[in-house]
Amino acid sequence: DAGVIQSPRHEVTEMGQEVTLRCKPISGHDYLFWYRQTMMRGLELLIYFNNNVPIDDSGMPEDRFSAKMPNASFSTLKIQPSEPRDSAVYFCASSRDRGNSPLHFGNGTRLTVT
Amino acid sequence: GESVGLHLPTLSVQEGDNSIINCAYSNSASDYFIWYKQESGKGPQFIIDIRSNMDKRQGQRVTVLLNKTVKHLSLQIAATQPGDSAVYFCAENRPGGYNKLIFGAGTRLAVHP
Repeated sequence: DAGVIQSPRHEVTEMGQEVTLRCKPISGHDYLFWYRQTMMRGLELLIYFNNNVPIDDSGMPEDRFSAKMPNASFSTLKIQPSEPRDSAVYFCASSRDRGNSPLHFGNGTRLTVT
Repeated sequence: GESVGLHLPTLSVQEGDNSIINCAYSNSASDYFIWYKQESGKGPQFIIDIRSNMDKRQGQRVTVLLNKTVKHLSLQIAATQPGDSAVYFCAENRPGGYNKLIFGAGTRLAVHP
């Protein structure tokens, strides 16, 4: 299996621009998670989906952030408009079932907003 | 808020020695725990997990110990190798029916030849 695939690997954009991050989970995994990693706050859960339905978005920072999962093999995280404080590494992860199964992470998208 | 924390932010060991990375968790109801390894430029990689009904689990060169009495988790790496150099995270699964992992701050392991 190719694992969780994220794109792009790096994104540099100017403040105010729209940013879209993409994720392809492992086939057969019913759960998909978006995490953000910064030095100050570590790994933070933003949102997760079960069978393409958003279950918990309480970690989404504000209305500028939105996530979709139109089908079982694709998800996007969008930031509009982006701000410098959004600079971080964004990880997508998937898992087979709820509770008691590990998350498998992609290699992340490093976002820099100038 | 509650969080999973680590006692040591950095750990330096000699190649061949055994490493022990510690983690304290705060939610006594957490029922599942995972250790992840993260190398530079990569996502967290699953190492080993343990359920709350166990107190020890062994993998290849790694052992996880769980002490629910004091809410403590440790990762032991035998015969540490340079390739083990990375940041290690513990994560706890909060109960409630959802696979919602809460990650600790991480410990950097540096292996010296």
